[in-house]
Amino acid sequence: AQTVTQSQPEMSVQEAETVTLSCTYDTSESDYYLFWYKQPPSRQMILVIRQEAYKQQNATENRFSVNFQKAAKSFSLKISDSQLGDAAMYFCAYRRLIQGAQKLVFGQGTRLTINP
Amino acid sequence: GAVVSQHPSWVICKSGTSVKIECRSLDFQATTMFWYRQFPKQSLMLMATSNEGSKATYEQGVEKDKFLINHASLTLSTLTVTSAHPEDSSFYICSARDGWETLSYEQYFGPGTRLTVT
Repeated sequence: AQTVTQSQPEMSVQEAETVTLSCTYDTSESDYYLFWYKQPPSRQMILVIRQEAYKQQNATENRFSVNFQKAAKSFSLKISDSQLGDAAMYFCAYRRLIQGAQKLVFGQGTRLTINP
Repeated sequence: GAVVSQHPSWVICKSGTSVKIECRSLDFQATTMFWYRQFPKQSLMLMATSNEGSKATYEQGVEKDKFLINHASLTLSTLTVTSAHPEDSSFYICSARDGWETLSYEQYFGPGTRLTVT
């Protein structure tokens, strides 16, 4: 079974500092996508960043970047220059084709608090 | 990005009644829609996948007779919780995609519906 593990239930960081959220996953597949989603208090799921497994280069979106270690099955999210608006639940997710259907599998989530 | 809406955003119903939640893709045609359930302080759990014009595929452990899913058009899917009970109280989120069965499509999420069964 494919599983996604986020070992940090809660994290906090000082505003303007950098924080890294961890995620590991279990798969035997070679072709898949990985995602980080943000869920603020409004509970609207927002895509933060995505990584294609076949790409060696780590994805970057402004202040958000990932450290994708395929062999180690690790996919961490780094948030630089943290802002108050970054406070939210962050979910790591893995997507692949299963029996002809695309499915997203989410980790347990990490609650990020930004301290002013 | 594409927009997915849900209606209602919050519904309260009495135990034993049925409630319908709508999910609409506003500016794209959604070939596939997904329904998730999220309990407080927990992650999203996939309940079912629906393709337009065909029956939904339910995840293991999800009662298909209790959670009726209809995907009659490329822009609308509905989730009906039948004979609701307090344990059905939860946050329900729909998601839609606009691509075919490849890995590169994008999946968009609705804002969710809070269901409270009294």
